[in-house]
Parts: sequence; C-alpha cells; structure tokens
Amino acid sequence: AQSVSQHNHHVILSEAASLELGCNYSYGGTVNLFWYVQYPGQHLQLLLKYFSGDPLVKGIKGFEAEFIKSKFSFNLRKPSVQWSDTAEYFCAVNVRAGGTSYGKLTFGQGTILTVHP
Amino acid sequence: DTGVSQDPRHKITKRGQNVTFRCDPISEHNRLYWYRQTLGQGPEFLTYFQNEAQLEKSRLLSDRFSAERPKGSFSTLEIQRTEQGDSAMYLCASSLAGALAGVKETQYFGPGTRLLVL
Repeated sequence: AQSVSQHNHHVILSEAASLELGCNYSYGGTVNLFWYVQYPGQHLQLLLKYFSGDPLVKGIKGFEAEFIKSKFSFNLRKPSVQWSDTAEYFCAVNVRAGGTSYGKLTFGQGTILTVHP
Repeated sequence: DTGVSQDPRHKITKRGQNVTFRCDPISEHNRLYWYRQTLGQGPEFLTYFQNEAQLEKSRLLSDRFSAERPKGSFSTLEIQRTEQGDSAMYLCASSLAGALAGVKETQYFGPGTRLLVL
C-alpha cells in the first residue's frame, strides 16, 4: 500500500521568506499527486495537482510544486510567503490503475505553517 | 455555493448512541468519498461510491459503520453504538471520474462533521 510522508510537522517563517515543504511517497507505479491547504476554520481546498507532463506545476496563490520521480518527491514551494498563508498543508497521492485513477487519496500527516508578519 | 455540503457540522453524542451524517456532493459528480481525520493527522480513507455502488471500504470501517448512497446523489454515514475512539472529523469529498475525466480526477472536500463522543 502507498504511504506519504511530510517531514516537517510545524514550520515557522517570517513574511517574505521562501517556503519549501517536503513530501515523499512510497509507491512504485504511476501516481497522481496533490497538495491541499486548510486555512484556520475552513475546509480542505485544492492548492495544486499533478497528473502528467511538465513536472513543475503551478497552483493558486503563487504556490508551485515539483514532481521528481526518481526521488518519489513532490515538494511544495513559494518564493515569498505572506501572513495569509498561515494554514495546514497536506500532500496526497492516489495511484493510477489501468485507464482510470484508483480513487482514494492517501494523505501525509500535514505541515502546519505559521507566518509571522 | 455549489460545493460539497455536510450536515450537521458538529455532533456531540453519548457513548453507545447511533449517529448519522449526510453529505451532498457537487452536482454531477459521480464519485463520493468519506474520510476520517483525527487531530494532528491527515485524512484517512473510509469508503467511496461511484454512483450508487460502494466500490471500496477501508479496514478502518468496522461493522458499526455503514454508508449508503441510494440514488447516486447524497450519501449518509451511520455509526452505531458510538465509542469514544470514534471522535473525529468526518470529511466527505466528491469528484467526477471515468470516461469524462479520464485519469484527471480531482476530489473536492466539504467542511466536515466534527463528532465528539462523550
């Protein structure tokens, strides 16, 4: 079964600092990769997704992620964070079986990002 | 708002009672998922439906849990004889999968139902 690891449980940054959140998965086959964000008091929202093609994907609010297949990684980056980026970030994966995705998402344990103004 | 909706948003119950949660997916989405999230953890898959058919159940889903999606639209998740360990956030997600979406299936989440079992 696949698993997802997020190495940092809590990251604290000042505004304008650069961000990189690590995500590694364990699965030998084809995967779809996602980052979701949960702002305080809100529900999980899709930040960005990777299905195929260009391994560098751009999402909302200036976030991007790079899929490195050889490292089984899908790290999230933002060059300059804002106070409003304070949230919990989840990496997730589902595996592709045949012509369609497998469906269920496997999530990492989440990284809490706190940005100080 | 045409997103995924869940009801109730909060539920407090006593151990041993039965509870039922409802999820209304995004219109036209054919897949509906249930996840459970406990404090400090990411969501964990419980079960999912494609239209009316329940295609997979996690081993996390004990026989006290049952889910239905009778008309392929809304879904209910029932927990019988609740235990304190059932306290968690129960999340619902929906997606459009199959021939129309191909492999590019994206799940959209509702606000969740927070259950507290006393």
